Amino acid sequence: DAKTTQPNSMESNEEEPVHLPCNHSTISGTDYIHWYRQLPSQGPEYVIHGLTSNVNNRMASLAIAEDRKSSTLILHRATLRDAAVYYCIRKQGGSEKLVFGKGTKLTVNP
Amino acid sequence: SAVISQKPSRDICQRGTSLTIQCQVDSQVTMMFWYRQQPGQSLTLIATANQGSEATYESGFVIDKFPISRPNLTFSTLTVSNMSPEDSSIYLCSVEDLSLEETQYFGPGTRLLVL
Repeated sequence: DAKTTQPNSMESNEEEPVHLPCNHSTISGTDYIHWYRQLPSQGPEYVIHGLTSNVNNRMASLAIAEDRKSSTLILHRATLRDAAVYYCIRKQGGSEKLVFGKGTKLTVNP
Repeated sequence: SAVISQKPSRDICQRGTSLTIQCQVDSQVTMMFWYRQQPGQSLTLIATANQGSEATYESGFVIDKFPISRPNLTFSTLTVSNMSPEDSSIYLCSVEDLSLEETQYFGPGTRLLVL
């Protein structure tokens, strides 16, 4: 049970921002929210993670709702290389396991 | 970040045979993991490979079918035993980065086709 809900697919245009939503309404207080992506024919790649506060790194931003029941991964300017399956994962604090759901397949149009 | 390599990158095998997949990391890591990704599906954790002790298997996976070795902190193997076409999948290893709140780095995967 992945315990997160994501849209199956989304489309974006190149150079435009992309907002990928994730619902995790049963999240517990110690669960981190992790995002990974899997480019075609590659292993998953870590994108970003957070607990309560919004987070930024060189790849993306993570906006976490105040009640923590949902989050949004933001790609500020999508490129063709961002076309991938994006996985939103609840990671229990202290547990090493990642439980992958079906993710969102992002298509980026030129 | 850790750099992970896997061998072989792909293989085609006959049913009933076994294949051993190697995972090599460029730095010492505590936790290594093996995942399976069936065609068109998401990743499923097979087991956690612990150095110096037996691997910990997830529900639905057993040691007789997927024996794992972890001889040191940079290397692990996964064997897929007595293969059937249902074992055709991508097998991926990953390692945990304790310095980054337990995020994981993944290898490129081994694509296995069983005929």
